[in-house]
Amino acid sequence: NAGVTQTPKFQVLKTGQSMTLQCAQDMNHEYMSWYRQDPGMGLRLIHYSVGAGITDQGEVPNGYNVSRSTTEDFPLRLLSAAPSQTSVYFCASDASGNYNEQFFGPGTRLTVL
Amino acid sequence: RKEVEQDPGPFNVPEGATVAFNCTYSNSASQSFFWYRQDCRKEPKLLMSVYSSGNEDGRFTAQLNRASQYISLLIRDSKLSDSATYLCVVSSGGSYIPTFGRGTSLIVHP
Repeated sequence: NAGVTQTPKFQVLKTGQSMTLQCAQDMNHEYMSWYRQDPGMGLRLIHYSVGAGITDQGEVPNGYNVSRSTTEDFPLRLLSAAPSQTSVYFCASDASGNYNEQFFGPGTRLTVL
Repeated sequence: RKEVEQDPGPFNVPEGATVAFNCTYSNSASQSFFWYRQDCRKEPKLLMSVYSSGNEDGRFTAQLNRASQYISLLIRDSKLSDSATYLCVVSSGGSYIPTFGRGTSLIVHP
């Protein structure tokens, strides 16, 4: 049982490039989320999904897209990277949708030059 | 005003000490409360949920004060391995958008 996995662990992009951060979970959780963590800001929700085919915006969705074609996978796409998107990105899943326990992936450290 | 506020610390305590953190929240409709622990350069992990009646898990005790809108975390007999950042998380029942505090840093020294 791998839990929540994220790839890549590290990434450097140039301004304007696009990329996809991958997230997968093998716990059959319905709820999945993407967060970014910046120094002094705490974690902020980017997008979330309450099940396959259903996504919604969180607190800071601009510049990011998501899709949820399967229960297991929840990729995050950066459409045109900007230096303001330099951050650590965490994917999380939980079974109940009530935050009884969110399981986080190990994170992706993204730098945009 | 940020919705969830925590003293960033760091709290620097010797092994064996008792330390307490508070977290205040501004949304009176908040219904779910949690403490997460985050080690340096790692992902957050759930430490404990916070129930209205208070709850205890070994050396850790969490309390909720709805009237004053804060939650607390008490750590007794601190261990070196307790050194981490402790994140307060608050969410309201109708929304899937949780609010994370910025975290309180704890350093336990020998």
